[in-house]
Amino acid sequence: GQNIDQPTEMTATEGAIVQINCTYQTSGFNGLFWYQQHAGEAPTFLSYNVLDGLEEKGRFSSFLSRSKGYSYLLLKELQMKDSASYLCAVLDSNYQLIWGAGTKLIIKP
Amino acid sequence: GAVVSQHPSRVICKSGTSVKIECRSLDFQATTMFWYRQFPKQSLMLMATSNEGSKATYEQGVEKDKFLINHASLTLSTLTVTSAHPEDSSFYICSCGQEHQPQHFGDGTRLSIL
Repeated sequence: GQNIDQPTEMTATEGAIVQINCTYQTSGFNGLFWYQQHAGEAPTFLSYNVLDGLEEKGRFSSFLSRSKGYSYLLLKELQMKDSASYLCAVLDSNYQLIWGAGTKLIIKP
Repeated sequence: GAVVSQHPSRVICKSGTSVKIECRSLDFQATTMFWYRQFPKQSLMLMATSNEGSKATYEQGVEKDKFLINHASLTLSTLTVTSAHPEDSSFYICSCGQEHQPQHFGDGTRLSIL
């Protein structure tokens, strides 16, 4: 079966760095997405990785290792507004998006 | 600006009412749109894949006669929750995207059935 695992909840301090991990087992791979979702709102796109390595975009970076079926989202200089759920999703061989359950990130002052 | 427009954003209605939710692709033609449902504190759950000009593909456990999907044009898909009951109260979100591109989401519709 297809499976995406990410921690249910994480807590970090304002100004710090946090890494949210995602491991996946899917039938084929055509890219991995990270989305941010604030409570009561629709998800918004953060990043897309299809090749191994690190993609940096401001305070957010995303890393992918296809051989390990592993990705992480790195958030630097955390701000209170970063409190949200972070969703990992993989595009499988049929170009179907397989979603993780999301990681709720709590930022404390 | 918004790529996907979803309307209405909030609906409160009596049990037994049918509710129609619209999802419009603003910047590109979407042959495929996705409908999700999200209950409080839970992850997105794919309900169905809406295909332009053909029948929608429903996920296991989703009643196609309960959740009617119409994708009559390349820019519009509608989800109708027929004879809605309190257990249908949820956050409904549509998404679409071009091939190999990230999905863009509508703002969601919060449905509350009294």
